[in-house]
Amino acid sequence: AQTVTQSQPEMSVQEAETVTLSCTYDTSESDYYLFWYKQPPSRQMILVIRQEAYKQQNATENRFSVNFQKAAKSFSLKISDSQLGDAAMYFCAYRMTEYGNKLVFGAGTILRVKS
Amino acid sequence: ETGVTQSPTHLIKTRGQQVTLRCSSQSGHNTVSWYQQALGQGPQFIFQYYREEENGRGNFPPRFSGLQFPNYSSELNVNALELDDSALYLCASSLPRREDGYTFGSGTRLTVV
Repeated sequence: AQTVTQSQPEMSVQEAETVTLSCTYDTSESDYYLFWYKQPPSRQMILVIRQEAYKQQNATENRFSVNFQKAAKSFSLKISDSQLGDAAMYFCAYRMTEYGNKLVFGAGTILRVKS
Repeated sequence: ETGVTQSPTHLIKTRGQQVTLRCSSQSGHNTVSWYQQALGQGPQFIFQYYREEENGRGNFPPRFSGLQFPNYSSELNVNALELDDSALYLCASSLPRREDGYTFGSGTRLTVV
């Protein structure tokens, strides 16, 4: 069964600094998608960035980038120039090809941003 | 382009009762999924509907059931509520392509007492 592991329950970063959130996953599939979602106190899950397993190039969205290591099954999120609005729960997720392409989520990492 | 809307936002029910949660999917999205998120945990997949048919189900008992309507809106029904059903219930819509991330609603917070 596919699993997603986020080993950091909580992280802190100083405003304007860089922070990296870790995620590992387990799958036997060769083609899949990985996502990072942000969940602020408003509860709505917001898509931050996505990565296709077949693409060698790491995805980037403005201040957010990933380090995708397919062989190691690792998918970390780097947030540069951290802002107060980045404070939230961050979830790593894997989209399966079976069971209707459901998302499998990790347990989440709380990110606190200090001013 | 409208997003995903869920109703109600909060709900308190008594153990043994039944509850219906509602979701309007984002315009153009024909796939709707429901997730249960217990406090401090990641969302867990309940089931998914594509063109009014259930096409995937997670490890939830049959008292969790759903519907999808022709306009792609959806309902989640839970019978015989238990205390452990207290959670945030998230609805998400998408196109049925793996490259699409889901668009999530803000959820319904269900408390069972």
